[in-house]
Amino acid sequence: DAMVIQNPRYQVTQFGKPVTLSCSQTLNHNVMYWYQQKSSQAPKLLFHYYDKDFNNEADTPDNFQSRRPNTSFCFLDIRSPGLGDAAMYLCATSRGVGDYQETQYFGPGTRLLVL
Amino acid sequence: LAKTTQPISMDSYEGQEVNITCSHNNIATNDYITWYQQFPSQGPRFIIQGYKTKVTNEVASLFIPADRKSSTLSLPRVSLSDTAVYYCLVGPQGTGRRALTFGSGTRLQVQP
Repeated sequence: DAMVIQNPRYQVTQFGKPVTLSCSQTLNHNVMYWYQQKSSQAPKLLFHYYDKDFNNEADTPDNFQSRRPNTSFCFLDIRSPGLGDAAMYLCATSRGVGDYQETQYFGPGTRLLVL
Repeated sequence: LAKTTQPISMDSYEGQEVNITCSHNNIATNDYITWYQQFPSQGPRFIIQGYKTKVTNEVASLFIPADRKSSTLSLPRVSLSDTAVYYCLVGPQGTGRRALTFGSGTRLQVQP
């Protein structure tokens, strides 16, 4: 089945130690998104790629970076994780070809714990 | 982007119909209304989308009045497995270059 895959499902890192979360998709979608979701809160968009075009949200900290080496893969890099970065990180995709508000397909998320 | 307002939480019992209303007073002409469902420790999942009047699929119905300043997600005969957070999103037409913003969502608890 075509899907959005996130690895790992759980990630433990140390305060200040760089960490990378990965997302892959078999949907061949043009758009890939990264969201941060803290406990009992709504997902908060960090940035998204439309093909190779990177779109950063204005309030996303510089500590968060992203890479999209090809259509299928997208990475979230946290350069110096702080305790406040502990959260669920969700990857999503959408087709990016329609004139309507497109459905986003979400992965299962990676839960990040910062010690 | 249009701001949305939903009840923080709702309670229901199995077999009942549940209606969750979302207010979006400053919805724009080209905006669509979309609802997502999220279970604990999972990513959100698309439920239904509409522009005006009524839309129905195998999971839910979406009612949108003529002024489009609100919308109501209707879940028929809920079961325990419908316990989740439901998000209403309003956003413009586009090709994905303008991403959506999730509101606070409504936490639905279904009791036996």
